[in-house]
Amino acid sequence: GQNIDQPTEMTATEGAIVQINCTYQTSGFNGLFWYQQHAGEAPTFLSYNVLDGLEEKGRFSSFLSRSKGYSYLLLKELQMKDSASYLCAVRVRSGSARQLTFGSGTQLTVLP
Amino acid sequence: NAGVTQTPKFQVLKTGQSMTLQCAQDMNHEYMSWYRQDPGMGLRLIHYSVGAGITDQGEVPNGYNVSRSTTEDFPLRLLSAAPSQTSVYFCASSYLVKETQYFGPGTRLLVL
Repeated sequence: GQNIDQPTEMTATEGAIVQINCTYQTSGFNGLFWYQQHAGEAPTFLSYNVLDGLEEKGRFSSFLSRSKGYSYLLLKELQMKDSASYLCAVRVRSGSARQLTFGSGTQLTVLP
Repeated sequence: NAGVTQTPKFQVLKTGQSMTLQCAQDMNHEYMSWYRQDPGMGLRLIHYSVGAGITDQGEVPNGYNVSRSTTEDFPLRLLSAAPSQTSVYFCASSYLVKETQYFGPGTRLLVL
């Protein structure tokens, strides 16, 4: 089976930088995703890593180390609208299909 | 494009009733999937499909049926609703060879 761990809650201040960690244990690894989910809404795609290293997209960056089973999402210049749940998801190969397994999510609260 | 649409938005059922949650996408995506989201448990895969006529089970398939007669539609059927099926249900779709899954707005289901 798959096991994905991320902190339940984090708090940060507007304008600051926050790093949300995700560790995973899985077989058939085929990529790691980060999604953002505001309360009462659907998840929306933030980033995707399949190779080791850092992917940068505006204020958001995501890092992957496959050998360590570790990823983080870095949010810079935090804004109030960044208050949301951040979901780490691992894609695995299962026969001919590829399935996403999600962590429980990290609830980020941005304070003024 | 409307993207991924789901109906209904909200539903209340009595134990033992059956119903179908509708999901449609207009992006010609091959891959479609159903998740349920419960507090503290993240998103869990119920069933998925890699194309019309092909479906398979995910992590928590018991009590649910799916079919995929067209590329656009992927309905989820609850055969005999139970209180344990109270949850928020999300449908998602993507191209098979691309990474990003697009989620529908969700259906909130309460089983009494």
